[in-house]
Amino acid sequence: AQSVTQLGSHVSVSEGALVLLRCNYSSSVPPYLFWYVQYPNQGLQLLLKYTSAATLVKGINGFEAEFKKSETSFHLTKPSAHMRDAAEYFCAVKGGGYQKVTFGTGTKLQVIP
Amino acid sequence: EAGVAQSPRYKIIEKRQSVAFWCNPISGHATLYWYQQILGQGPKLLIQFQNNGVVDDSQLPKDRFSAERLKGVDSTLKIQPAKLEDSAVYLCASSLDLVNSEQFFGPGTRLTVL
Repeated sequence: AQSVTQLGSHVSVSEGALVLLRCNYSSSVPPYLFWYVQYPNQGLQLLLKYTSAATLVKGINGFEAEFKKSETSFHLTKPSAHMRDAAEYFCAVKGGGYQKVTFGTGTKLQVIP
Repeated sequence: EAGVAQSPRYKIIEKRQSVAFWCNPISGHATLYWYQQILGQGPKLLIQFQNNGVVDDSQLPKDRFSAERLKGVDSTLKIQPAKLEDSAVYLCASSLDLVNSEQFFGPGTRLTVL
């Protein structure tokens, strides 16, 4: 069975500082991996996805993630945090017979001015 | 292009009452998903449709939850009777197909069961 672990339910960074949100996955097959962002009272929006092409994936809003098979990780980074980045971020893995998407428990990012 | 629409946005009911949620996916999207997101957790897939057929409902509590997508477009999710633990946000998502395409999410329906 596939699963996703997000380390840290809350992360605080100063405005302008590096953002690093951690995600480790477990999958029996080469996975599709995703990062989603959720703003308060809104649905999820796709930030980026890994589909077995380049291991460094660039997404929207200046975010990127690197797929590391040896570490089974797909950490999300952004060089410089902005106030508008404050939201909840979910890592997800897709796979299996029905291409089911399994989400992590989420990381709330707080950006301190 | 219009996004995924859901209604109502908020619903408050008492336990043992019934409730229904409606979802209108993006036009042309064959695959439709219902997720349950309990506060502090990630979304959990309840049911997945491909056109009007059910692909996966393994995590749907079938004794109280039901869902349909009769014409392969709109979908309704029903809870009857509701329990306190059903308090959550119910998210609908759609995608062009089952395998390779991105899921687009609606804004969700926040259900509070008292």
